[in-house]
Amino acid sequence: GAVVSQHPSRVICKSGTSVKIECRSLDFQATTMFWYRQFPKQSLMLMATSNEGSKATYEQGVEKDKFLINHASLTLSTLTVTSAHPEDSSFYICSATRGDDQFFGPGTRLTVL
Amino acid sequence: AQSVTQPDIHITVSEGASLELRCNYSYGATPYLFWYVQSPGQGLQLLLKYFSGDTLVQGIKGFEAEFKRSQSSFNLRKPSVHWSDAAEYFCAVGRGQNFVFGPGTRLSVLP
Repeated sequence: GAVVSQHPSRVICKSGTSVKIECRSLDFQATTMFWYRQFPKQSLMLMATSNEGSKATYEQGVEKDKFLINHASLTLSTLTVTSAHPEDSSFYICSATRGDDQFFGPGTRLTVL
Repeated sequence: AQSVTQPDIHITVSEGASLELRCNYSYGATPYLFWYVQSPGQGLQLLLKYFSGDTLVQGIKGFEAEFKRSQSSFNLRKPSVHWSDAAEYFCAVGRGQNFVFGPGTRLSVLP
């Protein structure tokens, strides 16, 4: 099956710093990748759709200047949380599409102190 | 607009007992339906999916689900639950880029 990786799996940072999370499709090319956010004991909420070579499409209520998404190649999308604050602490999950299937990464736990 | 409901927030069953997790959806076209499982602190693992054809779908770990168009449901079942099945279960509906998750059902398993 298709494999999607995320790096890092866990990150702890100080308030005000920026954090970059990578999402890679390891064995297939993904024109579209998605970024989700999951708060404790809650479901996944779509943050943005990342298309290779174009600007990301953000869901309503998601600050595009705070959550920078870059999809520079068909196998890599990055999410940068800029000027992170404690309320940004969450579990971030990416996915990549192949046909009508979505394949999910293992997630990144972000803790902002 | 697409939506997914999972009426049961938390279910507790005894090991060896049967299990059914409910999922209802609203979708404007023929839906693609998925069940995922998530262990604490982990990503999502696909249990099974329905695209078309036979409405009874077999998945991994002994799970199955039945698509009932008349009831807009896609309930997940397992005849005998194992302690390792304790996790969060998410139903999802969508096609490609339009993907919506349900709120999840937490499954606890008693020894």
